[in-house]
Amino acid sequence: EVQLLESGGGLVQPGGSLRLSCAASGFTFTNYAMIWVRQAPGKGLEWISAITGSGGDTWHADSVKGRFTISRDNSKSTLSLQMNSLRAEDTAIYYCVKGSEVSRPYYFDFWGQGTLVTVSS
Amino acid sequence: EMVLTQSPGTLSLSPGERATLSCRASQSVSNTYLAWYQQKPGQAPRLLIYGASSRATGIPDRFSGSGSGTDFTLTISRLEPEDFAMYYCQQYGNSRTFGQGTKVEVK
Repeated sequence: EVQLLESGGGLVQPGGSLRLSCAASGFTFTNYAMIWVRQAPGKGLEWISAITGSGGDTWHADSVKGRFTISRDNSKSTLSLQMNSLRAEDTAIYYCVKGSEVSRPYYFDFWGQGTLVTVSS
Repeated sequence: EMVLTQSPGTLSLSPGERATLSCRASQSVSNTYLAWYQQKPGQAPRLLIYGASSRATGIPDRFSGSGSGTDFTLTISRLEPEDFAMYYCQQYGNSRTFGQGTKVEVK
């Protein structure tokens, strides 16, 4: 059974940093792309970062480019998101998502339960 | 960047009725790389449909997807109580854009 368990969310001041982690199990981690998707309170879904199975290629949405960095440790089946220079508009639930393939194109076939990030003074 | 527009914003129906949700793309979606997701309050989204018309594992056959090019449809043939939720379409070809969602609520 695929399981994705996010951690690392919490309250952070504007301009601060936070690192999210996602522990994956139930599948061969290195064989699939992984994605972070966020959802602001009462809003829709926004993909923000993605990484291929090998970790060799990454993508970030314009809204987070230069501030967020996605990475993975295939030896530990762990996905991470380093978030710097956080803004109030980054407040959201952050979901760890498994891609259906090792690289594009892929749909999002399994989602974690999410971790809440609140950026506020 | 491709924009996906879902309609209607809210669909008010009764259990047992048929639901038809629309997703229109601003440009043609390559190779029908179009997916649908369901999200219930307080829960993570769940994949329903990929490749425009293929049901994900475990999804009941009352859910069906169709369409190509720029126009796609998610149909729920007979609404069950657990189907009242938010639905999002997504294209995963040249980007990973989501639509803004359609809420299916109890009339």
